Amino acid sequence: NAGVMQNPRHLVRRRGQEARLRCSPMKGHSHVYWYRQLPEEGLKFMVYLQKENIIDESGMPKERFSAEFPKEGPSILRIQQVVRGDSAAYFCASSPPVRGISGANVLTFGAGSRLTVL
Amino acid sequence: DAKTTQPPSMDCAEGRAANLPCNHSTISGNEYVYWYRQIHSQGPQYIIHGLKNNETNEMASLIITEDRKSSTLILPHATLRDTAVYYCIPISYGNKLVFGAGTILRVKS
Repeated sequence: NAGVMQNPRHLVRRRGQEARLRCSPMKGHSHVYWYRQLPEEGLKFMVYLQKENIIDESGMPKERFSAEFPKEGPSILRIQQVVRGDSAAYFCASSPPVRGISGANVLTFGAGSRLTVL
Repeated sequence: DAKTTQPPSMDCAEGRAANLPCNHSTISGNEYVYWYRQIHSQGPQYIIHGLKNNETNEMASLIITEDRKSSTLILPHATLRDTAVYYCIPISYGNKLVFGAGTILRVKS
């Protein structure tokens, strides 16, 4: 029973290139969350998606960042025209369809994708 | 969501209980208290959650005061692998997890 799989684990890009980070949720999980952790800083929420829908993107930068969770395949976090300030660890988490109020916020996180922008 | 106050750091001797406090005096009636931790460079890990009753699982125990304004996470026999940042997060149904600064727990041999 694989956990949340993120790839690539490490990605190096030059300024101006595009970065694509993939997240495969746990089997049976239909909710995906993306968080960003800048060096020496805390975890910041970016976006919450269900299959084919963006539920909450309040933490996404207004430009260059986009996320999707298609009906088939992994969730993708896309960063266009990367800048050095995008260098960070990007964590994906998933949760199952809500079975009750109590467990609604039990998220399983992946190991993260570390983006370095040269 | 309620604001939280956690000590920035704590030390604990290996094998002893680690008691991590969290103040959430503005918690509302429909907010659960969740605890997560992040071991260095890894993804956060869910530990335990509760509403008003004390809870225990294989990882930890959670003690919530009767007025729900504070809680304590207890790791009964801390090991070196428990060294991590611990986050206390009051949250209501449907809201997103918001991580604060947490408490850095250092378990020392």
